[in-house]
Formats: sequence, structure tokens, C-alpha cells
Amino acid sequence: AAGVIQSPRHLIKEKRETATLKCYPIPRHDTVYWYQQGPGQDPQFLISFYEKMQSDKGSIPDRFSAQQFSDYHSELNMSSLELGDSALYFCASSIKYQETQYFGPGTRLLVL
Amino acid sequence: GESVGLHLPTLSVQEGDNSIINCAYSNSASDYFIWYKQESGKGPQFIIDIRSNMDKRQGQRVTVLLNKTVKHLSLQIAATQPGDSAVYFCAENNNNDMRFGAGTRLTVKP
Repeated sequence: AAGVIQSPRHLIKEKRETATLKCYPIPRHDTVYWYQQGPGQDPQFLISFYEKMQSDKGSIPDRFSAQQFSDYHSELNMSSLELGDSALYFCASSIKYQETQYFGPGTRLLVL
Repeated sequence: GESVGLHLPTLSVQEGDNSIINCAYSNSASDYFIWYKQESGKGPQFIIDIRSNMDKRQGQRVTVLLNKTVKHLSLQIAATQPGDSAVYFCAENNNNDMRFGAGTRLTVKP
């Protein structure tokens, strides 16, 4: 079965640079969620989109923004990167808002 | 604030034994709970879920128990196998907000 696709899988950036992470949800899923997971930590919710509209906002820094496009894929834009932004970034999707979330493989971001 | 948490950070079991991973939650309004398994370097993988109108749900080798009286959730894995070694997270979904617990690392000894 098709799963959530994330790209890139690995990304290395320097401080103050920008990064864009992409997420392609499972076909027919209309809700996308972004999470940040630090080493040894549980995933922390950043932001979610339902039918291309932002639906919930968690602990997403002001330096980050995200959007969902007409084909339901989503992009997380990260600017003025800091060392502390180094983490795994997961995208999850669900068939409709509030239902079970299925996670992608994650993007490992390293900020040097 | 209200949060979801796990009692034990690590659990070590012998292959073939049953495993029980526990989770406590404090928000009595939560109505949907999920267990995820996360292997190293991979995304959380859905295992099983349960809604608050149930107290037990079974899957293949896994059972989730929900005790709303004491706000406790558990994941039981029967005949634990080496491939079950991972970090297990419980998560609660309340009013469009999903929160993860801290995770329990399950190690299966051969």
C-alpha cells in the first residue's frame, strides 16, 4: 500500500540558511500534520492542514511556515535555521481530520 | 498542563514472553488513543487504536486496554519477538489535538 512520502530524507544546512521539506500524503488523505522529533524525544506537533487550510498550530517557531497545495502535498519552510532545529521532521496524513495519522519516514535535518 | 506519559522508559523481555507497556493520561476528555511503534531512524508506525467507548481492542498479537476510571492505557504484545524491539509511544487525540507520551524502549532478548 502507498505510504506517506517525504523528501529529502536527509538534509544538511548551515546556521541562518533556509530549508524546505516536502510531504506527499497517502492517496485520498486530505489532512497533513508536521512533527518535530529531537533525539530521544517524543514527536512534537508543529502544524496541520485540512483541505489546504491550516487547521491547528502547535509549537511551530515563527521562523517556520507551511502550506498544503491543491494536490494535498505539503511543504514546511524553515528559515534562519538554528543549531537547535536539528531533528527528525515527520509528516503524517489522515483520511479526514481527527482520524488515525500515518507517518512518513521522516527527514533528518542537521544544522551545522 | 494535561499530558500523556509512560510509566517506564525501558522494558526488557525474553523472546516468547508477553510484554506489557503502560501509559497514563490525565485528560479525561480524551476520546481516542493510539499506540505507535518507532524503530530507530524510522517514522512512528501505527499499531492499534481504541476509542473511549471501548475498554479493550485486539489485533494480531497485540491488545490495547483502556481503563478510563484510572486514566490508564496499556499495550500487550503476545509472544514477543526480536522484531518487536523498538520504542513504543502512546498518543491521545482530544479535540483535534494529538499528544505523544515520552516513549518506552522495548528490548527483546533472544
